[in-house]
Amino acid sequence: SQQGEEDPQALSIQEGENATMNCSYKTSINNLQWYRQNSGRGLVHLILIRSNEREKHSGRLRVTLDTSKKSSSLLITASRAADTASYFCAGVEDTSGSRLTFGEGTQLTVNP
Amino acid sequence: EPEVTQTPSHQVTQMGQEVILRCVPISNHLYFYWYRQILGQKVEFLVSFYNNEISEKSEIFDDQFSVERPDGSNFTLKIRSTKLEDSAMYFCARPRGGANYGYTFGSGTRLTVV
Repeated sequence: SQQGEEDPQALSIQEGENATMNCSYKTSINNLQWYRQNSGRGLVHLILIRSNEREKHSGRLRVTLDTSKKSSSLLITASRAADTASYFCAGVEDTSGSRLTFGEGTQLTVNP
Repeated sequence: EPEVTQTPSHQVTQMGQEVILRCVPISNHLYFYWYRQILGQKVEFLVSFYNNEISEKSEIFDDQFSVERPDGSNFTLKIRSTKLEDSAMYFCARPRGGANYGYTFGSGTRLTVV
């Protein structure tokens, strides 16, 4: 099954605005994670939310998880030009051991 | 700075050749993963490796691929008889801590098959 479908595919905002990215998944998950990728670079872990959690904060990041709707959102507040990157959600399914299943990603552009 | 180093950062190879991609952890870990990302597409799981054995593999990870930990520290992904469609970024990853702490990814090897 396909995990982690994200929207929007691309988001362009002005510096200082908030950016919200959404992720939907189809199977039951153990946890859901968000990663950031600068162009052509490796993935950087941002935040993880467990299946029994509904909301989590880390600095300017806020992630929510709605297991009844099988969806998650990542909010970046007070965005900066340096936040420009691709953002991916990735789930660890209940039945798939520990592998991550990634979404297609959202390309965020923060204009100065 | 990455806690997982991958070499080479970029490799160009002729179709049909074999390539070996390397992953070097700074700290000693038993659990490793390989993922790949075809340009413009999402990251895909290839294989997980625990205590010198494959613990999970995807349908992508067929007989063309193999993983090893040849000297107890380096962790390699070998791709035999490369095809054009093997061109991608290849990432290794390790758990950041126990379960539910996420993963640290290496900076990746960009493989180009010509």
